[in-house]
Amino acid sequence: SNELTQPPSVSLSPGQTARITCSGDALTKQFAYWYQQKPGQAPVLVIFKDNERPSGIPERFSGSSSGTTVTLTISGVQTEDEATYHCQSADTSGVNWVFGGGTKLTVL
Amino acid sequence: EVQLVQSGAEVKRPGESLRISCKASGYIFTDYWIGWVRQMPGKGLEWVGIIYPDDSDTRYSPSFQGQATLSVDKSTNTAYLQWTSLKASDTAVFFCARPSRHCSGGNCFAAFFFDSWGQGTLVTVSS
Repeated sequence: SNELTQPPSVSLSPGQTARITCSGDALTKQFAYWYQQKPGQAPVLVIFKDNERPSGIPERFSGSSSGTTVTLTISGVQTEDEATYHCQSADTSGVNWVFGGGTKLTVL
Repeated sequence: EVQLVQSGAEVKRPGESLRISCKASGYIFTDYWIGWVRQMPGKGLEWVGIIYPDDSDTRYSPSFQGQATLSVDKSTNTAYLQWTSLKASDTAVFFCARPSRHCSGGNCFAAFFFDSWGQGTLVTVSS
C-alpha cells in the first residue's frame, strides 16, 4: 500500500509532549516529511528526512522513525503549536508523492 | 528570498475552463521543479504533480492524470494549473510549492519535499 495513516486528532495541555504518528509501508524505504498548517495558511515544513529540522523551526520539534511508523514529537507544546500536521513521503516506487490525512493538534 | 505568488480566488460553473497561476521569484526558475497540491474543503493535502520548467518534464499523480494540466512560461517565471472542463468536485484550494533539491558531483536532483509554498488559490465550482 502507498497510503500514509495518521490519527485524526490529538489533544493535550500546554507544556505536555505531543507525539503524532504516521504509518505506511513506504516508510521503510522512503524518508518522511512533516508540515504544519494553521487555518487559512499554507503549510510550513517542520521536519525533513525523518528527523532534520529546517532553520527557524524551534528545537521542541523533532522527528523519529521506526519500521513503518514515523513520529513527530513536540516537546513542551505551546498554544501557538495548535495546527494540523501533515506527514508526506514518496510511494514505494519512489515516483509519486503521498500525504497522510493530517492530524489536528488541539492545545487546550 | 524565495516567493511564490498565486493568482486570486475563482468562481466558475461546471463545464467551464480555468487556468490559475503561480509566479516565482528569488531563485533561478529553471533550476527547480515546481509542484501543485490540492486541499479539498476540510480535508488533507493531495499531491497533484510536478513540472520541471527547463524542459517541461511533467509527473502527475495517478489520481490527477487527465484531470488537469501543468505548464510553465519560462519568460515570466510562472507556473500554471489548468482545467478544460471543471466539475463541482474540483472545488478546493490549490497550492503551488517548490520541491527542495540536493546536488552531488555537479548534478542536482529534486528532493521529495516542498520547502516553499504559495499562499493558495481557492477554486469554487458551482452551478
